[in-house]
Amino acid sequence: NAGVTQTPKFQVLKTGQSMTLQCAQDMNHEYMSWYRQDPGMGLRLIHYSVGAGITDQGEVPNGYNVSRSTTEDFPLRLLSAAPSQTSVYFCASSSLGQAPGANVLTFGAGSRLTVL
Amino acid sequence: AQTVTQSQPEMSVQEAETVTLSCTYDTSESDYYLFWYKQPPSRQMILVIRQEAYKQQNATENRFSVNFQKAAKSFSLKISDSQLGDAAMYFCAYRNPVGDMRFGAGTRLTVKP
Repeated sequence: NAGVTQTPKFQVLKTGQSMTLQCAQDMNHEYMSWYRQDPGMGLRLIHYSVGAGITDQGEVPNGYNVSRSTTEDFPLRLLSAAPSQTSVYFCASSSLGQAPGANVLTFGAGSRLTVL
Repeated sequence: AQTVTQSQPEMSVQEAETVTLSCTYDTSESDYYLFWYKQPPSRQMILVIRQEAYKQQNATENRFSVNFQKAAKSFSLKISDSQLGDAAMYFCAYRNPVGDMRFGAGTRLTVKP
């Protein structure tokens, strides 16, 4: 059972370059989300999705795009990377509703991104 | 927007003793979920405990328990019989029913042998 898989684990970009962080889950979770973690600030929600074809903005969406064409995948795109986007990124998923275990996030291992 | 505040950047506890980590949150909603996550140096986020707002009974998971005060919007975590493996960053988190989830800034817990 793979859970939530993020790739790549490490990436170095130059300012202005674009890239996509991949996230895939094999638990048939409706909900998927992306967070960034900066020192002293905890995790901040970038974008989230409650199902295929549905996405919404979180706390810090600027500079990031997402799409959800399938239940399994939720890629995060940086169109023009900036040094302020240097961070550790986490993808997470969960089921929704009232069932036991619902709404509990399963996290990927994280991706460390450095923008020079 | 919902906010989550952890007022203790760092806490320290002696092995086998009890420690309480504080968390307050701000929301106008009546239905929501609260969580405590642990993040060891490996960076992996691990669920410690969860609480549904509609449940009056405080959640417990072995040595971990919460004190949920809905009216005061307070959600503290108590760790009993602290162990060296409990040393980590602890994050309090709030989630509304549609999925918007907010985290506090975290509390770094040190366990002294």
